[in-house]
Amino acid sequence: EVQLVESGGGLVKPGGSLRLSCAASGFTFSSYSMNWVRQAPGKGLEWVSSISSSSSYIYYADSVKGRFTISRDNAKNSLYLQMNSLRAEDTAVYYCARGGISGSYDYWGQGTLVTVSS
Amino acid sequence: QSALTQPASVSGSPGQSITISCTGTSSDVGSYNLVSWYQQHPGKAPKLMIYEGSKRPSGVSNRFSGSKSGNTASLTISGLQAEDEADYYCCSYAGSSTRVFGGGTKLTVL
Repeated sequence: EVQLVESGGGLVKPGGSLRLSCAASGFTFSSYSMNWVRQAPGKGLEWVSSISSSSSYIYYADSVKGRFTISRDNAKNSLYLQMNSLRAEDTAVYYCARGGISGSYDYWGQGTLVTVSS
Repeated sequence: QSALTQPASVSGSPGQSITISCTGTSSDVGSYNLVSWYQQHPGKAPKLMIYEGSKRPSGVSNRFSGSKSGNTASLTISGLQAEDEADYYCCSYAGSSTRVFGGGTKLTVL
């Protein structure tokens, strides 16, 4: 059974940093691209970042470019999101999602809440 | 990267069919057959319902179908059931390996 479990969320002040993790199991992690998608409270979904299976290709939404860094460790079956210079508008539930056919997101974690507030 | 346009809400009675539209531009929905649809129940993670515009993942009911015409993709749910009540989001490839979601549609089963 595919499982994705996010962790690392919490309350952080504006300008602060946070590192999210996503532990994957139930599939060959090193064979799939991975993604972060976020959802602000009461709002819709927003694609944040994607990383290819071997980390060769990395992409970011304009809203986080230069502040967030996606990475992965295939030996540990883990995906990460380093978030720096956090802003109030980054407050959201952050989901880890597996890259499926043609770039769809076929499995999702339960999400981890990041709150940016003073 | 402007969000795709979806109606804020749709409703239908059990057994009826409903369609949710997802309007983009010639730079995203109109240029690629790479629209996916997600169902999200309150407090839960999204679930993939349709990929590549019209294909269903294993385990998704055939009551769910997808289509596209020009810059607009659509999700149709036939034989509406109470458990279909949820939020639905479309998502399209938008070039340069980026993705854009719709604003979401709340489906109410009357």
